[in-house]
Amino acid sequence: QKEVEQNSGPLSVPEGAIASLNCTYSDRGSQSFFWYRQYSGKSPELIMSIYSNGDKEDGRFTAQLNKASQYVSLLIRDSQPSDSATYLCAVLNQAGTALIFGKGTTLSVSS
Amino acid sequence: DARVTQTPRHKVTEMGQEVTMRCQPILGHNTVFWYRQTMMQGLELLAYFRNRAPLDDSGMPKDRFSAEMPDATLATLKIQPSEPRDSAVYFCASGLEAGAEAFFGQGTRLTVV
Repeated sequence: QKEVEQNSGPLSVPEGAIASLNCTYSDRGSQSFFWYRQYSGKSPELIMSIYSNGDKEDGRFTAQLNKASQYVSLLIRDSQPSDSATYLCAVLNQAGTALIFGKGTTLSVSS
Repeated sequence: DARVTQTPRHKVTEMGQEVTMRCQPILGHNTVFWYRQTMMQGLELLAYFRNRAPLDDSGMPKDRFSAEMPDATLATLKIQPSEPRDSAVYFCASGLEAGAEAFFGQGTRLTVV
């Protein structure tokens, strides 16, 4: 099965700082990329999707995609304690039949 | 209320028993994923359906697990016989179309003793 790799963390940032989360994937033909947030004991919640190279901004969140480097990132500006969660990178394979998740990066935002 | 509904939310069963988990995808969605989540392995894809047809179940242990979609409003995941190593949270997710975002249900927490 194709792989999606994330640094497990924890990534600790102070309130108001920028948090940068990174993800690499192995299936070069992948076309769809997603970031999910998961609070402890809860289900994954979709926060961003990106399909084209470059940046996509939504509020405090910016997703970045570089298909040549097989790299996806998520920036969270003005981090808040409520952003403390595990962030999961997900990649849809080229055939569109498998949405593969990384193991997630745990983010801790201190007030 | 557009959300994926999973039942039961919690299940405790004895080793060897049959377990059936149910998922109602969001109305109009035609793709369904089943995942298993553990601390060690993270989210593992078990099965993928599109228009009720199973397109990928390569991640599912075939000897004891089975997944079906008897109709567009119901997906099931069955384990028979269950084993302690099957203890995990099982998630169902649905999407509007292939390649689109997938939305998760609240999960079924399974404990096999």
